[in-house]
Amino acid sequence: NAGVMQNPRHLVRRRGQEARLRCSPMKGHSHVYWYRQLPEEGLKFMVYLQKENIIDESGMPKERFSAEFPKEGPSILRIQQVVRGDSAAYFCASSPPGGDYGYTFGSGTRLTVV
Amino acid sequence: GESVGLHLPTLSVQEGDNSIINCAYSNSASDYFIWYKQESGKGPQFIIDIRSNMDKRQGQRVTVLLNKTVKHLSLQIAATQPGDSAVYFCAENYHNAGKSTFGDGTTLTVKP
Repeated sequence: NAGVMQNPRHLVRRRGQEARLRCSPMKGHSHVYWYRQLPEEGLKFMVYLQKENIIDESGMPKERFSAEFPKEGPSILRIQQVVRGDSAAYFCASSPPGGDYGYTFGSGTRLTVV
Repeated sequence: GESVGLHLPTLSVQEGDNSIINCAYSNSASDYFIWYKQESGKGPQFIIDIRSNMDKRQGQRVTVLLNKTVKHLSLQIAATQPGDSAVYFCAENYHNAGKSTFGDGTTLTVKP
């Protein structure tokens, strides 16, 4: 039973390009969360999704960032027109349905904007 | 707004000693708390959780204590080992909100 799979592990983008980060939750998990971590800092909530629904996007920047979790396939975090300040580690986590559970995190995607 | 914070950013202990990592939270409505361990270059890993109807929970070498009166959470690690060196985060949930709010993390260094 594979854990949460994120790809790519490392992503380099030039300013103005688009970044697409993928996350496949653990089998049986229907809740997906995206967090951003700046160097030497904690994890900041971005968005919480269930299949085909955005439940809470209160942590998403208003522009350039979007997320989806389609009926089929992985969850995607999309950053358009990246800027240097977007450089960070982006972690995806999943949890089973039904209430409060600890998360299972993926290994993260480290985005570097040059 | 609610926040979760850690009292000390770094902690250095001798191998074999016990470690205590503290966490303060400000949202009295929080009803579920989790500790995570993050090793360098990896994602956070679930260690132990506790619900607000409990004040203590034990795992293998770890104990979490919850004091709702002063909104304080602690993680105790017994007989700390070099493999315990990592950043430790507390996180809180409330009212089945789904998302967790994380503290800033405490870096634990275990000296041989």
